[in-house]
Amino acid sequence: KAGVTQTPRYLIKTRGQQVTLSCSPISGHRSVSWYQQTPGQGLQFLFEYFSETQRNKGNFPGRFSGRQFSNSRSEMNVSTLELGDSALYLCASMAAQVNTGELFFGEGSRLTVL
Amino acid sequence: AQSVTQLGSHVSVSEGALVLLRCNYSSSVPPYLFWYVQYPNQGLQLLLKYTSAATLVKGINGFEAEFKKSETSFHLTKPSAHMSDAAEYFCAVSKGGGADGLTFGKGTHLIIQP
Repeated sequence: KAGVTQTPRYLIKTRGQQVTLSCSPISGHRSVSWYQQTPGQGLQFLFEYFSETQRNKGNFPGRFSGRQFSNSRSEMNVSTLELGDSALYLCASMAAQVNTGELFFGEGSRLTVL
Repeated sequence: AQSVTQLGSHVSVSEGALVLLRCNYSSSVPPYLFWYVQYPNQGLQLLLKYTSAATLVKGINGFEAEFKKSETSFHLTKPSAHMSDAAEYFCAVSKGGGADGLTFGKGTHLIIQP
């Protein structure tokens, strides 16, 4: 069974640009969550999608958005990039409909903003 | 609001020695508690979870954790450290039931000395 796949693995952008990251969950998993990991702030919850609907949202500005498709694949978008958006963005999928916290993580997309 | 505090950003033990990683939580409701491990350049992997069943939880790779409500703690232990245990360990809390995403601690980097 394939794991959670994130693309691209590495990318470099400049301030003011926008970026789209993609996540394919484990087959059969309908919940997809996104987390931002930085040395200073650690792991922070961005949002969670279940059956194409945003179910939970963390405390991030509106520049951070996401969506989920009917095949459970998810994308997150960051507009008007800032230097502080440089981070490892982790996607995680979950099998259960109820949030059990048992997440399966991808290897992440490392974003560098110059 | 819920939060997690991990004591010690770095812990160093000798190979074969006891591993003890500390985690204290704060939650307004009975929590779901987790330990995740992150190896270099990889995503997070679930080690074990507590969901109000047995207070002593056994996980993968010989790790276990004990939930102590009176101390609001969920420390992670392993009787004998192995070189392959070197990684970043994260304690996390969730209210469960679809309430919100996981709240992670800052992480503890475990160093194994030969």
